[in-house]
Amino acid sequence: GIQVEQSPPDLILQEGANSTLRCNFSDSVNNLQWFHQNPWGQLINLFYIPSGTKQNGRLSATTVATERYSLLYISSSQTTDSGVYFCAVERGSGNTPLVFGKGTRLSVIA
Amino acid sequence: DTEVTQTPKHLVMGMTNKKSLKCEQHMGHRAMYWYKQKAKKPPELMFVYSYEKLSINESVPSRFSPECPNSSLLNLHLHALQPEDSALYLCASSLRYTTASGSSYEQYFGPGTRLTVT
Repeated sequence: GIQVEQSPPDLILQEGANSTLRCNFSDSVNNLQWFHQNPWGQLINLFYIPSGTKQNGRLSATTVATERYSLLYISSSQTTDSGVYFCAVERGSGNTPLVFGKGTRLSVIA
Repeated sequence: DTEVTQTPKHLVMGMTNKKSLKCEQHMGHRAMYWYKQKAKKPPELMFVYSYEKLSINESVPSRFSPECPNSSLLNLHLHALQPEDSALYLCASSLRYTTASGSSYEQYFGPGTRLTVT
């Protein structure tokens, strides 16, 4: 099956710092989503981005499908950004499940 | 509104109990999913329903029994669970399930049910 690798696995930031999270995948995809899982377990949709660039406030994401990677940028981090960030993909052939990476655990300290 | 609701939020059950988890969405989505998430691990797919029919069962033990009574509701019936089944159970929905031609749709997740089996 498709492999999804996220880096770094853990990240500690001072409040106000910027960061880049990376997601590499091993096959062509027709769906790529970034999620933030808060400490209560809720998975919050950040971006649906199988290709291209999107921005939402302090967050932006870029997927380069031909090179099989996606980047999530967090600017001016806040303590509420803490949690686990997951990248999840569906392979391009259809009728395949959403496969999650292992996540990046982010801690933002004041 | 992109809301998926799940009840209960927490559930503690013994190994001989029968209980059910409930998931509901009113977004007109025709694909619904159950995922299981163990601590410090990513979610893992259990079942997919497309147009109220079971499309995928990821080799889940029969002590987990899904049911999709209508297009808005998804249940997960639990019976004779083991302590290792303790986990966060997440429900999700999308407009459609991914098609054979490769069209895919964004999935939206509920807040989860945290299950403890004693």
